[in-house]
Amino acid sequence: AQKVTQAQTEISVVEKEDVTLDCVYETRDTTYYLFWYKQPPSGELVFLIRRNSFDEQNEISGRYSWNFQKSTSSFNFTITASQVVDSAVYFCALSEALGVGGADGLTFGKGTHLIIQP
Amino acid sequence: DGGITQSPKYLFRKEGQNVTLSCEQNLNHDAMYWYRQDPGQGLRLIYYSQIVNDFQKGDIAEGYSVSREKKESFPLTVTSAQKNPTAFYLCASRASGDGSYEQYFGPGTRLTVT
Repeated sequence: AQKVTQAQTEISVVEKEDVTLDCVYETRDTTYYLFWYKQPPSGELVFLIRRNSFDEQNEISGRYSWNFQKSTSSFNFTITASQVVDSAVYFCALSEALGVGGADGLTFGKGTHLIIQP
Repeated sequence: DGGITQSPKYLFRKEGQNVTLSCEQNLNHDAMYWYRQDPGQGLRLIYYSQIVNDFQKGDIAEGYSVSREKKESFPLTVTSAQKNPTAFYLCASRASGDGSYEQYFGPGTRLTVT
């Protein structure tokens, strides 16, 4: 069975600090996909990034960066120079490659509530 | 513009009543999903449908039912058999594929049953 663990329930930092959100996953599949979503107070989940298991390149998008390490089964998310608008709950999620009759859907971690104080 | 709509945003019901949550998408996505979110918890999969007229149970399907008569629509019925129906319900859709494509989410419906 697959599992996603986000050990940090809540993180509070002052604006302009860098912050890293941790994500550790478990899966028996060799092909799988990892995702990060942002949930602002409005409740809608916003897609941030997808990463395939066979691509361990780190990715940077503006102030956001992601570090994928298969050796430690981790997919961590760093926000550089945080801003108040980054305040939200962030979810890490996992899906496995669909085989014939395979189960579909994302497995989510419990989320990390990020608070950026002005 | 394309997206996923869920209505209503807030829903109140008395215990023992069935209630149907609406989910519509105009993204031409084949797959649709229903998740439930409880306070301080991640999302849990209720049902999913990869194609019209077909759907599968997720991890917590008991007390729920769905239908998929049209590609655009995937309504969820919360029945009186669901022991703890009060929650935030999110609908999502995904382009067809092998599971690698990201899911896009609607704004959610917050259901309160008293």
